[in-house]
Amino acid sequence: AQTVTQSQPEMSVQEAETVTLSCTYDTSESDYYLFWYKQPPSRQMILVIRQEAYKQQNATENRFSVNFQKAAKSFSLKISDSQLGDAAMYFCAYGSNSGGSNYKLTFGKGTLLTVNP
Amino acid sequence: DTAVSQTPKYLVTQMGNDKSIKCEQNLGHDTMYWYKQDSKKFLKIMFSYNNKELIINETVPNRFSPKSPDKAHLNLHINSLELGDSAVYFCASSQHTGVQETQYFGPGTRLLVL
Repeated sequence: AQTVTQSQPEMSVQEAETVTLSCTYDTSESDYYLFWYKQPPSRQMILVIRQEAYKQQNATENRFSVNFQKAAKSFSLKISDSQLGDAAMYFCAYGSNSGGSNYKLTFGKGTLLTVNP
Repeated sequence: DTAVSQTPKYLVTQMGNDKSIKCEQNLGHDTMYWYKQDSKKFLKIMFSYNNKELIINETVPNRFSPKSPDKAHLNLHINSLELGDSAVYFCASSQHTGVQETQYFGPGTRLLVL
């Protein structure tokens, strides 16, 4: 079964600084997708960024970028120029359309990010 | 304009009761989902429907029964509520089936069983 591990239950960063959230996953599939979702105190789940496993280039979305290491099964999220509004729980998620995953997303347990002014 | 809406947002009820949570999406999506987020924030898929047909049914007690009257609605009915059912339940939708599709989440329904 696919598993997603976020080893940092909590992280903190100073406003305007950079922070990296870690995520590792376990899979035997070769074609899959990885996601970072953000859940602020409002509870709304919001997609931050996604990566397709067959693409070697790391995805970027404005201040958010990933470091995707397929061989190491690692998918970290870098937030640059952190803002107070970035404070949230961040979830890493894995999905594949075949095998044991079969169309569903598997989420990690989350990393709570605090941004200090 | 709300994309994915859920009612109610909060639900407090007694053990043994039956309750329903409703979900509607106005995005024209084909696929809808129910997730459960427990007290430790762990988020797990429960069900998924594509064009009113069940495509994912995780290991969920039979007391939970999803119903999709049309592809814009996916309701969740829970019979004989137990303390362990207390959680936040999220509905989501995506254009089509497949994990490559971006999922849009509703605001969640916080269920508390006393």
